Amino acid sequence: QSVLTQPPSASGAPGQRVTISCSGSSSNIGRNLVNWYQQLPGTAPKLLIYSDNLRPSGVPDRFSASKSGASASLAISGLQSEDEADYYCAVWDNSLNWVFGGGTRLTVL
Amino acid sequence: QAQLVQSGGEVKKPGASMRVSCKASGYVFPNFGVYWVRQAPGQGLEWLGWISGNNGKTKYAQIVQGRVTMTIDKSTATAYMELRSLTSDDTAKYYCARGAAGAASTMAFDIWGQGTMVIVSS
Repeated sequence: QSVLTQPPSASGAPGQRVTISCSGSSSNIGRNLVNWYQQLPGTAPKLLIYSDNLRPSGVPDRFSASKSGASASLAISGLQSEDEADYYCAVWDNSLNWVFGGGTRLTVL
Repeated sequence: QAQLVQSGGEVKKPGASMRVSCKASGYVFPNFGVYWVRQAPGQGLEWLGWISGNNGKTKYAQIVQGRVTMTIDKSTATAYMELRSLTSDDTAKYYCARGAAGAASTMAFDIWGQGTMVIVSS
């Protein structure tokens, strides 16, 4: 069981907007910066969002993220077929470990 | 461009040890650290630890504390992870990723290796 809670699945039609939630606690999301990773099928994870809401160079602005209290969320607008992947949130926990969410599999209908 | 290239897959017997390498290129190795993460088949990501590329300082996850050793070779810009006393629960793809040089907690995992599959089976 993961320290961070994500829905196991999400879906949306092309062009739609979807959000993926990540719920934690005051020892992790509540006090440290959240990162999001995208893992396309059969590939290594890729950094998608860092420091709560910043995009690395090359990540489309269709991807955005936010945080409130001990919860964070990732939003994908203008959904495309290539967005079909697993998405993970991650944050440093004050138990002195990085912790990941269990992952959300996004299906583009 | 910056990249991490890992060693090839391994098959190990229970009780044996594994060692995975992660060679960095395209950036100044001592200016960053290396995280290690694993992913069991069909499962999520699990952090194993961090090592500084500058001074070899380490921080290990509680789940592998006592069984893991992470090292670096600055001359070849390579990080290594050794995991001992393997069980079937250690069957996973092991990834290295770039991090901060100064502390385990301060930087996102911004570049990832391609992963190394390790199978533990009798």
